[in-house]
Amino acid sequence: AQKVTQAQTEISVVEKEDVTLDCVYETRDTTYYLFWYKQPPSGELVFLIRRNSFDEQNEISGRYSWNFQKSTSSFNFTITASQVVDSAVYFCALSGPPGGGATNKLIFGTGTLLAVQP
Amino acid sequence: DTGVSQDPRHKITKRGQNVTFRCDPISEHNRLYWYRQTLGQGPEFLTYFQNEAQLEKSRLLSDRFSAERPKGSFSTLEIQRTEQGDSAMYLCASSPGQATYGYTFGSGTRLTVV
Repeated sequence: AQKVTQAQTEISVVEKEDVTLDCVYETRDTTYYLFWYKQPPSGELVFLIRRNSFDEQNEISGRYSWNFQKSTSSFNFTITASQVVDSAVYFCALSGPPGGGATNKLIFGTGTLLAVQP
Repeated sequence: DTGVSQDPRHKITKRGQNVTFRCDPISEHNRLYWYRQTLGQGPEFLTYFQNEAQLEKSRLLSDRFSAERPKGSFSTLEIQRTEQGDSAMYLCASSPGQATYGYTFGSGTRLTVV
């Protein structure tokens, strides 16, 4: 069975602090995809990143960086120099291998509410 | 095309009434998904269409729920005889192919059953 765990329910930081959001996943698939989405108060889920299971390189995009470690089944997300606009709920998600007519539905974690105080 | 559109944004209904939500995906996307999100939880998969064919339904989708995508374009999700437990955000997403490319989500329809 596939499962995503985001143990941090809420995190509060002061602007300009760095913050790391944790994500641990479970899957029996050897090929899978991991995602992060941001959900601001407006409700729309905003895609941030997709990473396949064969690519363990860390990725940096501006103030955002992701650390994928297959050995610990983790895909953590760090925001450097946080800003008030980063306040949102962040979801980690997992999808199975492509092909074979599979639905490839996303399995989401329960999310982490990040509050960045000015 | 500006993204996935959902209508209405908010719906308040009395218990026992029927409601219908609409989703307009990105035009070139052949895959369409419905998710439900309750307070404090992540979205949960409800059903999936590839073009007009409904290929998978979650056990969450009881007999009171029905979804259609008649011409492989927009989709509707109907809930009959609504219950208070149906109160949630209903999210639609579309994808150009296999979902591993990433979904584009709509803003959702927030349903409140009173």
